[in-house]
Amino acid sequence: SAVISQKPSRDICQRGTSLTIQCQVDSQVTMMFWYRQQPGQSLTLIATANQGSEATYESGFVIDKFPISRPNLTFSTLTVSNLSPEDSSIYLCSVTERDEQYFGPGTRLTVT
Amino acid sequence: DAKTTQPNSMESNEEEPVHLPCNHSTISGTDYIHWYRQLPSQGPEYVIHGLTSNVNNRMASLAIAEDRKSSTLILHRATLRDAAVYYCILNYGGSQGNLIFGKGTKLSVKP
Repeated sequence: SAVISQKPSRDICQRGTSLTIQCQVDSQVTMMFWYRQQPGQSLTLIATANQGSEATYESGFVIDKFPISRPNLTFSTLTVSNLSPEDSSIYLCSVTERDEQYFGPGTRLTVT
Repeated sequence: DAKTTQPNSMESNEEEPVHLPCNHSTISGTDYIHWYRQLPSQGPEYVIHGLTSNVNNRMASLAIAEDRKSSTLILHRATLRDAAVYYCILNYGGSQGNLIFGKGTKLSVKP
């Protein structure tokens, strides 16, 4: 099974700044996914990141706010830009392997 | 993606079986039924999935209605560690990736 790590595990950021979250997988995967989980809510898919192409964003999420990089088959970053308190959430990356989807432990972001 | 309907919460006693229902009346023929769970302060984890036939694995069993409009996740002996939010998700073609999560069922397990 895929093992996913994320950095940082948590951070407190000021309004107007940006946070870049790193996701590392222990195996090569074609697609990586970024999710957001707002406090007390379910998970919402932000975007799908394929290596070598631009990320595909879900409705309500835009590249200027959530730029994503996918430089190779084991790594991706999600940046949350121009932070506001509404961005306070847990951000999770995810990959698929065979018929299962694996999730990282998440990055807890608090915006003050 | 077709929608699923689950109860908001359920309670169970430790070491008793738990039946978690899911309705998906608009399921299409190519939709697989997936179950994931999210333990407190963790990312979701895969539980089980199936298409038409009932499925068993080391974690749980999945019972799928003959018309596929509903399914039930069965935990045979609930433990305190099974307390989590359980998500029933339909995914086209069985290949996973961009799973669409609903609100899920919060399962509480009493000792």
